[in-house]
Amino acid sequence: AQTVTQSQPEMSVQEAETVTLSCTYDTSESNYYLFWYKQPPSRQMILVIRQEAYKQQNATENRFSVNFQKAAKSFSLKISDSQLGDTAMYFCAFVQGAQKLVFGQGTRLTINP
Amino acid sequence: AAGVIQSPRHLIKEKRETATLKCYPIPRHDTVYWYQQGPGQDPQFLISFYEKMQSDKGSIPDRFSAQQFSDYHSELNMSSLELGDSALYFCASSFMSRETQYFGPGTRLLVL
Repeated sequence: AQTVTQSQPEMSVQEAETVTLSCTYDTSESNYYLFWYKQPPSRQMILVIRQEAYKQQNATENRFSVNFQKAAKSFSLKISDSQLGDTAMYFCAFVQGAQKLVFGQGTRLTINP
Repeated sequence: AAGVIQSPRHLIKEKRETATLKCYPIPRHDTVYWYQQGPGQDPQFLISFYEKMQSDKGSIPDRFSAQQFSDYHSELNMSSLELGDSALYFCASSFMSRETQYFGPGTRLLVL
């Protein structure tokens, strides 16, 4: 069974700083997708970024980028020029095919003014 | 762009009562997933439907049932509610069972 691990329960940085959230996963599959979802205090689940395992190029979405290391089964999220609105719980998630998302435990990120 | 719609957004029930949660997927999305998120926890998969057929089943109690209708909306029926059922229930949808799932705003269920 696939598992996703986020080893940082909480992180806190100052506004405008860069922060990296860690995620590791375990799977025997070769084709899969990885996601980062953001859950702000409203508790809406918002898709931040996604990565296809067969693509070597790291995904980027504006201030958000990932460092995908397939051999190491690592998928970290980097937030550049952090903003107060980035304060949220961040979940790393794995999916293989049209199956259920498997989530990590989440990292609570606080951006301080 | 249209998003996933869930209703109601908030629901308060007594123990042993029944609740029905509804989910309207993004137009043209044919796959629906249900997740349960307890306080301080990550979302846990309950059940999914593709083209009105159950496609996968997770840790869904026997007291719960769900279905997807001809217009692709889905309903999660919860009977004999227990205090532990209090949680945020998400519906997510995807197009042609592709990998990216888009979440609705969730239904907050409180069982008293």
